[in-house]
Amino acid sequence: EDKVVQSPLSLVVHEGDTVTLNCSYEVTNFRSLLWYKQEKKAPTFLFMLTSSGIEKKSGRLSSILDKKELFSILNITATQTGDSAVYLCAVSSGTYKYIFGTGTRLKVLA
Amino acid sequence: GAVVSQHPSRVICKSGTSVKIECRSLDFQATTMFWYRQFPKQSLMLMATSNEGSKATYEQGVEKDKFLINHASLTLSTLTVTSAHPEDSSFYICSAPLTSHEQYFGPGTRLTVT
Repeated sequence: EDKVVQSPLSLVVHEGDTVTLNCSYEVTNFRSLLWYKQEKKAPTFLFMLTSSGIEKKSGRLSSILDKKELFSILNITATQTGDSAVYLCAVSSGTYKYIFGTGTRLKVLA
Repeated sequence: GAVVSQHPSRVICKSGTSVKIECRSLDFQATTMFWYRQFPKQSLMLMATSNEGSKATYEQGVEKDKFLINHASLTLSTLTVTSAHPEDSSFYICSAPLTSHEQYFGPGTRLTVT
């Protein structure tokens, strides 16, 4: 059965800390892995990863994929209170079809 | 950029009534759209894949007669929750793929059934 597991489930840090969120997966037909940030409403897109070892970067956020070990990490440096959200990892296991992990709930304290 | 809209954003209905939720892709066509449900503090669960011009594909455990999906055009899919019950109260989110890898989410509809 295809599955996506995220860890930790929740995390509390202080502003300025660096966090690393993990996403491991087992799917029969991997196409891509996506990271989303969800605050109060629908998820907003962060990154899409298809190739191993190539880091994607956007400001203080970065992500990398390891297709051999079947995982991805999302790093956030110099965290701010606005980074508080649920971070979702989704893996495409076929045409247009995505399996979501349970998410990591991040809370950044001022 | 690509945007997906949903309407309504919030709806409260009485038990036994039906509720229709619309999902529209703006500035791009979507032959396929997805409907997800998210319960509090849980992740998104795919309910069904909406296909323009053909029947929707439902995930295991999702009742197709209860959750009616109509993909009326290349930019519009509707989800109708029929004979709603309190346990149907949830956050319903649609998405539309812009490319084969990437999808955009609507803002979601919070349904409360009293």
